[in-house]
Amino acid sequence: DIQMTQSPSSLSASVGDRVTITCRASQDIYTSLAWYQQIPGRAPKVLLYAASRLESGIPFRFSGSGSGTDFTLTINSLQPEDFASYYCQQYDLVPYTFGQGTKLDIK
Amino acid sequence: QVQLQESGPGLVKPSQTLSLTCRVSGDSLRRGGYYWSWLRQHPGKGLEWIGYISYSGVTYYNSTLKSRMTLSLDTSNNQFSLRLNSVTAADTAVYYCARAGQYFDPWGQGTLVTVSS
Repeated sequence: DIQMTQSPSSLSASVGDRVTITCRASQDIYTSLAWYQQIPGRAPKVLLYAASRLESGIPFRFSGSGSGTDFTLTINSLQPEDFASYYCQQYDLVPYTFGQGTKLDIK
Repeated sequence: QVQLQESGPGLVKPSQTLSLTCRVSGDSLRRGGYYWSWLRQHPGKGLEWIGYISYSGVTYYNSTLKSRMTLSLDTSNNQFSLRLNSVTAADTAVYYCARAGQYFDPWGQGTLVTVSS
């Protein structure tokens, strides 16, 4: 199975900050990576797919980059509604696997 | 707008069978190109993909649960189901159904299943 390693596992930031979350795959997954946001008590919601493509309706302050094994999610100008957990997920090979998550909270 | 909705018992006794159904609206299970998936999230933990079933009934199960699970499709009612046998407390989790082209979108709202006597 492909292992996905996210860092950091938790992150404190303030409204208006820029934050970056990284995700590393245990083998080359090309750009077969999605990022999800999960608000407590809610189902995850896809933010980006194909590593850098923004899902329809997602604000432009979210961006993604990377290919191969190393990926990043960047959130510019944090808004109050962005404080949530974030997960990366590879879909290059089954079984589909997720990173362990990054919890973003307010400093 | 595609919507998924899980249903099933919220409490299951140890050693019994967990059965959940996901009703799909706004899309047809008969339409190709998607894999109808189940995922779960243990309390306070990350996301685990359980398996999928395609429109033609092809299944893929995560190896960690393969020996205990069955996925099935009911195209007449546009729903798909998960059965997980011999449950233990370790199966206590929020269970989600989701549509997967490649990534998972959309998701159901999730249903908490607690395994306890």
